[in-house]
Amino acid sequence: DSGVTQTPKHLITATGQRVTLRCSPRSGDLSVYWYQQSLDQGLQFLIQYYNGEERAKGNILERFSAQQFPDLHSELNLSSLELGDSALYFCASSLRTGGSYGYTFGSGTRLTVV
Amino acid sequence: AQSVTQPDIHITVSEGASLELRCNYSYGATPYLFWYVQSPGQGLQLLLKYFSGDTLVQGIKGFEAEFKRSQSSFNLRKPSVHWSDAAEYFCAVMGQGAQKLVFGQGTRLTINP
Repeated sequence: DSGVTQTPKHLITATGQRVTLRCSPRSGDLSVYWYQQSLDQGLQFLIQYYNGEERAKGNILERFSAQQFPDLHSELNLSSLELGDSALYFCASSLRTGGSYGYTFGSGTRLTVV
Repeated sequence: AQSVTQPDIHITVSEGASLELRCNYSYGATPYLFWYVQSPGQGLQLLLKYFSGDTLVQGIKGFEAEFKRSQSSFNLRKPSVHWSDAAEYFCAVMGQGAQKLVFGQGTRLTINP
């Protein structure tokens, strides 16, 4: 158990729908990162939050959004889902911001869009 | 822009044999360098990282990696693999002061008994 909790573990939904993925960071970590892992794109950085504020943005689609709440958990919202959004979505957390503190990854949420 | 290349998509070695997984990066300065392992259905576990100093870094599970600035490489090695090492291995870089990890495409390791 890495200490980063992601729910749900698996999600199957239809095209056009909206889903919310949840991440609870490791105790004491202030930074949360979201990554998407797909067969064709590999591991891609989506977005980072630090203590409730957005800090960095990667290849995140406009249909996707995220936020970090006062209790530091984060949610990734995916809307108007397409077949190509099927992927493994990882959350990671770190004590502060920047790589020198190291990331801890959760076990991911596997999203299947049918 | 930063990029990471793992030239080998799939490697098969026999149990007990030595292992070297290659990683080359492109970045203007010396980045932070990482190796992660992903077992089937699992998240990413950090094996080791290089920030500065000694270019040979030791990690968990008997792995080590050597940073070679002249070759822009950070190859992962293990002297004797175990069947439990079968997994996908990812090399990653992060620019100093940056926020995101940039991953290579991964190398899938198969162990023959």
